[in-house]
Amino acid sequence: TQLLEQSPQFLSIQEGENLTVYCNSSSVFSSLQWYRQEPGEGPVLLVTVVTGGEVKKLKRLTFQFGDARKDSSLHITAAQPGDTGLYLCAGLSIYNQGGKLIFGQGTELSVKP
Amino acid sequence: NAGVTQTPKFQVLKTGQSMTLQCAQDMNHNSMYWYRQDPGMGLRLIYYSASEGTTDKGEVPNGYNVSRLNKREFSLRLESAAPSQTSVYFCASSADRGRIYYGYTFGSGTRLTVV
Repeated sequence: TQLLEQSPQFLSIQEGENLTVYCNSSSVFSSLQWYRQEPGEGPVLLVTVVTGGEVKKLKRLTFQFGDARKDSSLHITAAQPGDTGLYLCAGLSIYNQGGKLIFGQGTELSVKP
Repeated sequence: NAGVTQTPKFQVLKTGQSMTLQCAQDMNHNSMYWYRQDPGMGLRLIYYSASEGTTDKGEVPNGYNVSRLNKREFSLRLESAAPSQTSVYFCASSADRGRIYYGYTFGSGTRLTVV
C-alpha cells in the first residue's frame, strides 16, 4: 500500500511569515498534485508536478517534486489570511491504477492577521 | 458549467437505515470516484469507476456499494448505516488516465451523520 505522509498536520502563523509543508513517501509516484480545500467545499487543484526535481511557482507558492519522485514540498512566502485552508498532497501511482490518487492526511494552515 | 454536483449536502440517518448519495458530472469525464474525509485522515478512496460500466473497490469499500448509472452519474449506497460511516463524502471526476495532469474535479461534499 502506498502512503503519503504530510507534515506538519497543523500550522498557525502570523501574516507575513514563510512556511513549508512536506509530503513524503517511500514509494515512487508518476506525478504529484497539491490541492487546497476551504471549509464546506471540495478540494481544488493548485498544481501538478511530473518530473523529478521539478519546481513550479504559483505567485507566492512554490512547489517542488523530489529528484526520486518520492516526496514534494509546498513553500508559501509572506503568507496572507487568504491562504488559510487545508492543503492536501496527492500522488498518482506509477502503475496508474484507474487514475486513482493517493492522498496525504492534509495540513491545516491558519494565517492570522 | 456546474462541474460535479452532489446531493444531498447534509443528511442525518439512524443506525440501520439506508440511503443513496448522488453524483453527476457534466465534463464528459470517464473516471469517477467516491472518497470519504475524516479529521486527520485525509481523503480515503471508497470506490472508483475508470469508465462507464466498470467499478472497483478502493481502500475502504466495506459497507458501501456503487452504481455507475451512465457516463455522467455515479452513486454511492449505504445499505445499513453505522455510526462509523459518519463522515464527509466527496465525489470526484477526472479525464482519461493520460490527462491526469489536469487533476480531479470535486463536488462540494455530503456531510453524513449516523446516530
